[in-house]
Amino acid sequence: GQNIDQPTEMTATEGAIVQINCTYQTSGFNGLFWYQQHAGEAPTFLSYNVLDGLEEKGRFSSFLSRSKGYSYLLLKELQMKDSASYLCAVSDSNYQLIWGAGTKLIIKP
Amino acid sequence: GAVVSQHPSWVICKSGTSVKIECRSLDFQATTMFWYRQFPKQSLMLMATSNEGSKATYEQGVEKDKFLINHASLTLSTLTVTSAHPEDSSFYICSARSGSSHNEQFFGPGTRLTVL
Repeated sequence: GQNIDQPTEMTATEGAIVQINCTYQTSGFNGLFWYQQHAGEAPTFLSYNVLDGLEEKGRFSSFLSRSKGYSYLLLKELQMKDSASYLCAVSDSNYQLIWGAGTKLIIKP
Repeated sequence: GAVVSQHPSWVICKSGTSVKIECRSLDFQATTMFWYRQFPKQSLMLMATSNEGSKATYEQGVEKDKFLINHASLTLSTLTVTSAHPEDSSFYICSARSGSSHNEQFFGPGTRLTVL
């Protein structure tokens, strides 16, 4: 079966760095997405990786290792507004997104 | 980026009534639209995938006669929850994908449905 695993909840301090991991097992692979979702709102796109390596976009970076079925989202200089759920999703062989359950990130002052 | 709108953003209805939710791609043609449901503190659950001009493909466990999906044009898909019951209360989110992109889905803002 297809499976996406990510931690349920993480806590970090304002100004610090946090890494949210995602491991996946899917039938085919056409890229991995990270989305941010604030409570009561729809997900918003953060990043897309299809090749191995690190993609940096401002305070957020995303890493992919296809051979290990592994990705992480790295958030630097954490701000209170970064408190949200972070969803990992993999595009499978049919270009359908397989979603992880999301990681709730709590930022403390 | 591409913009997807949903209407209404929230709706409260009585049990037994039907509710229609619209999803529109505003600045691109969406050959494929997806309907998701999300219960509190849970992840997105794909309900169905609809391609313009053809019947929607429903995920296992989703009743196609209860959740009617129409994707009549490249910019509009509708989800009708028929004979809604309190257990249908949820956050319904649509997303759209253009024909030029095999991958990225653009999400609407969601519709919160409360059935009394």
